[in-house]
Amino acid sequence: KNQVEQSPQSLIILEGKNCTLQCNYTVSPFSNLRWYKQDTGRGPVSLTIMTFSENTKSNGRYTATLDADTKQSSLHITASQLSDSASYICVVSGTGGGNKLTFGTGTQLKVEL
Amino acid sequence: DAGVIQSPRHEVTEMGQEVTLRCKPISGHNSLFWYRQTMMRGLELLIYFNNNVPIDDSGMPEDRFSAKMPNASFSTLKIQPSEPRDSAVYFCASSLNSGGVNEQYFGPGTRLTVT
Repeated sequence: KNQVEQSPQSLIILEGKNCTLQCNYTVSPFSNLRWYKQDTGRGPVSLTIMTFSENTKSNGRYTATLDADTKQSSLHITASQLSDSASYICVVSGTGGGNKLTFGTGTQLKVEL
Repeated sequence: DAGVIQSPRHEVTEMGQEVTLRCKPISGHNSLFWYRQTMMRGLELLIYFNNNVPIDDSGMPEDRFSAKMPNASFSTLKIQPSEPRDSAVYFCASSLNSGGVNEQYFGPGTRLTVT
């Protein structure tokens, strides 16, 4: 069964600090992996999308890595800000056509002063 | 562009009532997706359309749920009759093409509470 597991489930860090969120998946065959940010009361917003051949992709202070061999991805947030407080969801798409995505349950990040 | 538009934003209804959720995708997008999000199960795909045609409805929980897309700019998700376990946030998303790495843009969601 295709699964996406994220860790930690929740995280609290001080403003200005860095953090790394983890994602392990069993989706096969693999097409691409996405990281979404979901603010409370809003829909998810895409941060990065990586295909099989991409090892790293950045979007401002967000850097995602992908190891397709070990089926692991990470999202690194640099110099965190209060506005980074949100749920971060790892999403994996398999091949075979269509847009069927397998979602992780997310990591709830809180950035405090 | 206004993005994906959903209505209503909040819906409270009694068990047994019919509920209709509405979605207007981003103009020009030809794929539309309905998702449900709960604390226990996270985001789940219910159904998606490509060029107004339902492609995969395997995520629709049961016959009480139905979705339509009569034209490229409008879709509905109907629950009849509603049950308390249907309480969740329902998201609509759209993308330019189906498949590949085409990005999905999510609406703000409809928070449904069935009492």
